[in-house]
Amino acid sequence: QVHLQESGPGLVKPSETLSLTCTVSGGSISNNYWSWIRQSPGKGLEWIGYIYKTRTTNYNPSLRGRVTISVDKNQFSLELRSVTAADTAVYFCARERPSPAGLDYWGRGTLVTVSS
Amino acid sequence: EIVLTQSPGTLSLSRGERAVLSCRANQSVDHNWLAWYQQGPGQPPRLLIFGASTRAAGIPDRFIGSGSGTDFTLTISRLESEDFAVYYCQQYAKSPYTFGQGTKLEIK
Repeated sequence: QVHLQESGPGLVKPSETLSLTCTVSGGSISNNYWSWIRQSPGKGLEWIGYIYKTRTTNYNPSLRGRVTISVDKNQFSLELRSVTAADTAVYFCARERPSPAGLDYWGRGTLVTVSS
Repeated sequence: EIVLTQSPGTLSLSRGERAVLSCRANQSVDHNWLAWYQQGPGQPPRLLIFGASTRAAGIPDRFIGSGSGTDFTLTISRLESEDFAVYYCQQYAKSPYTFGQGTKLEIK
């Protein structure tokens, strides 16, 4: 059984960098797509991007080059730079298998608030 | 990007009734790479259907996905208490992946 757990600060100041980590257990991190998704009341569910096989990444253009997703061992991470209040959301990590089949495993999510 | 529009926004039904949820795309979803998710309060989304019509592991057969191209439907044949939640469709055919705005299924 694959298990994902998000971790990171719950409060980030405007203009700073939001950094989150997703720890994966029970499955291989090397052969799947690993995504970040966020959910805010104003914008619903928004896909942020994914990483595949440690180096192939794909990001949502709406984030205008502010995002980086990386992998290290059994964790993958999200960096979102120059945050504003609009980046306040619950952030989820999730897995997609290589044969595209939707996001089948999700973390429970972590709330990040952007505020001074 | 592919915009997904779900309808209705809210659906009020009773246990045992049938629910029909719609998801319409502004362009064709290649390979019918469309998924449906269920989200309860304070929970992450749970994958129900992928490839428009294939049930994910452990999903009861009362959940039925159908459709192709730009029009997709999730049917819940006989509503049970645990089915009252918010449902989202998502396309993963073209980047960026996008979600619909959701349909809230509430108890009448």
